[in-house]
Amino acid sequence: EAGVAQSPRYKIIEKRQSVAFWCNPISGHATLYWYQQILGQGPKLLIQFQNNGVVDDSQLPKDRFSAERLKGVDSTLKIQPAKLEDSAVYLCASSLRDRVHEQYFGPGTRLTVT
Amino acid sequence: QQQVKQSPQSLIVQKGGIPIINCAYENTAFDYFPWYQQFPGKGPALLIAIRPDVSEKKEGRFTISFNKSAKQFSLHIMDSQPGDSATYFCAASMRSHHSGNTPLVFGKGTRLSVIA
Repeated sequence: EAGVAQSPRYKIIEKRQSVAFWCNPISGHATLYWYQQILGQGPKLLIQFQNNGVVDDSQLPKDRFSAERLKGVDSTLKIQPAKLEDSAVYLCASSLRDRVHEQYFGPGTRLTVT
Repeated sequence: QQQVKQSPQSLIVQKGGIPIINCAYENTAFDYFPWYQQFPGKGPALLIAIRPDVSEKKEGRFTISFNKSAKQFSLHIMDSQPGDSATYFCAASMRSHHSGNTPLVFGKGTRLSVIA
């Protein structure tokens, strides 16, 4: 069974530039999550999708972050404009609709903002 | 506000030792407590999980001990090996009317090193 795919794996940008990350969940997983993991901390949920609808985006900084899952499968997370404090690993995870507590994570995208 | 407090931040044990990682929570509505293991350059992977209706769960060399009255749970790794060297995260979630369970709230992680 293929795992959660993410790209790119690494990205370096300057502050005020924009960046986008892509995620393809495990086939059949209706629920998709984006997390931000700052160095030395645990993952923090940014947004949760159920199919193509948003379930929870309470911790997403909506002035600069946006995410979509138009067809209910893969998803993109965008930051525009980026700030230095956005440097982190961005993790995508997925789960079955009725097993949201059992999440499978992708390898993440390491973002460095200079 | 940190909902799940994890300790220690880092831990070094000899091969064969039993590292213990502790987590404490405040919200008594939490009813699912997983542990995740993360190797460098990889995403976290679910290791073992427990619900508050039992006090202990074992899977292979990994054991969760749960103390509901103290609102604490811990991970024990028996006969630890160098390959267990990783960062371990505890987490918690609660039942939701909408989607079964709320999103996971993670601790800050414990970096474990097992030396030969």
